[in-house]
Amino acid sequence: GQNIDQPTEMTATEGAIVQINCTYQTSGFNGLFWYQQHAGEAPTFLSYNVLDGLEEKGRFSSFLSRSKGYSYLLLKELQMKDSASYLCAVLDSNYQLIWGAGTKLIIKP
Amino acid sequence: GAVVSQHPSWVICKSGTSVKIECRSLDFQATTMFWYRQFPKQSLMLMATSNEGSKATYEQGVEKDKFLINHASLTLSTLTVTSAHPEDSSFYICSASEGSDTEAFFGQGTRLTVV
Repeated sequence: GQNIDQPTEMTATEGAIVQINCTYQTSGFNGLFWYQQHAGEAPTFLSYNVLDGLEEKGRFSSFLSRSKGYSYLLLKELQMKDSASYLCAVLDSNYQLIWGAGTKLIIKP
Repeated sequence: GAVVSQHPSWVICKSGTSVKIECRSLDFQATTMFWYRQFPKQSLMLMATSNEGSKATYEQGVEKDKFLINHASLTLSTLTVTSAHPEDSSFYICSASEGSDTEAFFGQGTRLTVV
């Protein structure tokens, strides 16, 4: 079966750094997405990785290791507005998006 | 990024009536559109995938006669919830992409409440 695992909830302090991990087992791989979702809103796109390595975009970075079936989202200089759910999703061999359950990130002052 | 507009943002309807939700790609041609449903505190659940000009592909367990999807043009897809019941109350989200291997952009979502 297809499976994506990420922690259910994480807590971090404003100004700090947090890493959200995602491991996946899917039938084929055509890329991995990270989305941010605030409560009651649709997800917004953060990053897309299809090759191994680190992609940096401002305060957010995403890493991928295809051989390990592993990715992480790194958030630096955390702000209160970063409190949200972060969804990991993998595009499988049929180009279907397989979603993780999401990680709820709580930022404390 | 590209803009996907979903309308309405929220709707309240009576049990037994039908509700239509629109999803439009404003600045690109959406070959593929996806419809999701999200229950509180749960991840997105893919309901169906539609390609312009062809019938939608529904996920297992999704009733195609209840959730009618039309993707008649490259910029518009509609989801019609027919004979809505309170258990259909949920957050419905569409996303659109130019191709099966390109990034998908999400609409704002529609919160449906059936009373």
